[in-house]
Amino acid sequence: DQQVKQNSPSLSVQEGRISILNCDYTNSMFDYFLWYKKYPAEGPTFLISISSIKDKNEDGRFTVFLNKSAKHLSLHIVPSQPGDSAVYFCAASEAGAGSYQLTFGKGTKLSVIP
Amino acid sequence: DADVTQTPRNRITKTGKRIMLECSQTKGHDRMYWYRQDPGLGLQLIYYSFDVKDINKGEISDGYSVSRQAQAKFSLSLESAIPNQTALYFCATSDAGTSGGDSYNEQFFGPGTRLTVL
Repeated sequence: DQQVKQNSPSLSVQEGRISILNCDYTNSMFDYFLWYKKYPAEGPTFLISISSIKDKNEDGRFTVFLNKSAKHLSLHIVPSQPGDSAVYFCAASEAGAGSYQLTFGKGTKLSVIP
Repeated sequence: DADVTQTPRNRITKTGKRIMLECSQTKGHDRMYWYRQDPGLGLQLIYYSFDVKDINKGEISDGYSVSRQAQAKFSLSLESAIPNQTALYFCATSDAGTSGGDSYNEQFFGPGTRLTVL
């Protein structure tokens, strides 16, 4: 049973427009959420995170929104750039329980078209 | 220089062979992890270690073993490789520190090892 779901395997966006990547989770014990970005032939790199005590976290062009009641989070990239083309993984953890285990979604491949 | 390195980067082997994948880190982190990624799937945790004497199974540990030789080194072994262990393998590290509330120590990943079992 998948606890973290990224239902869109791929997304294409025009350069300069907004990219919105979505993630749903089923485990109500998750209290920390992260987005990782992965280029081909490289390991995932941390992008941005959010604690369940917040509903928004912003870092430059990247903003993550958390809707706890819907068990849904989204990553907004504005404006999108060709260098943002990568696979984006959503991950969740029960950090409050002292767990450092991450549960990952399957990823969404973002293509930003120049 | 990379903070988390993995060797080899690519490996092709045959069914039944013993394989060891190695991970080294210079970040000074106490915690190390091994993940597996299959095509079209997310990363799944195989084993994790919170220090040299603390090894824990992850969600898919069957068929794998690990060794934490030092704080900086964590190796993954496939005792008798089988074709469905063909995958990308990632090592990761994180700081110990505190967690919970508004804090979390994110994991830093190595570049991965592509393993093919024929």
